Amino acid sequence: DVKVTQSSRYLVKRTGEKVFLECVQDMDHENMFWYRQDPGLGLRLIYFSYDVKMKEKGDIPEGYSVSREKKERFSLILESASTNQTSMYLCASSFSGTGRGFSPLHFGNGTRLTVT
Amino acid sequence: AQSVTQLGSHVSVSEGALVLLRCNYSSSVPPYLFWYVQYPNQGLQLLLKYTSAATLVKGINGFEAEFKKSETSFHLTKPSAHMSDAAEYFCAVFLLRGSARQLTFGSGTQLTVLP
Repeated sequence: DVKVTQSSRYLVKRTGEKVFLECVQDMDHENMFWYRQDPGLGLRLIYFSYDVKMKEKGDIPEGYSVSREKKERFSLILESASTNQTSMYLCASSFSGTGRGFSPLHFGNGTRLTVT
Repeated sequence: AQSVTQLGSHVSVSEGALVLLRCNYSSSVPPYLFWYVQYPNQGLQLLLKYTSAATLVKGINGFEAEFKKSETSFHLTKPSAHMSDAAEYFCAVFLLRGSARQLTFGSGTQLTVLP
């Protein structure tokens, strides 16, 4: 089974702090994604990556950056945390297969971030 | 605009009753469609996927979904609800955005199963 591991289940940070959310997958997937989940809004894509050192913006990249130095690891960075970034953050990965991004995403259990 | 819409943010059914969760999509290209389930304090788990092989797709835990191109729908059903089905369900579709398809999620439907 594919395992996507997010380093923290719960995180509490102060406004203005730099925050790192880490995600590791063990199935050699090319694609990795960061979503945030908020009630009534579903999942919104923040950033994704189709290859090492490659990144593309999703729907809501403002206030976030990412790093993918190794294939198995995709980090989400909040440069200066704000209260409106309090949310559930979900990492996912997928195999490229036939065409970009056509295979199902496998999700980690999420990191619930609270910014006070 | 391309999108995915789930009708009903909350659905309640009695144990043993039919479950019907609605999903409609808008896409200018043949869609790849998915249903995911999220149990409390967990990530999303794939229930089933449609990739054009068959219009009726069977998934895990007794769920199935039917792709209807004329209605641009991919509704999720289960003949008899169990208490363990209580969860949030997300419809998702790969939509053409920019230079590549990206997985876009509906806003989710919270399913409550009443004893």
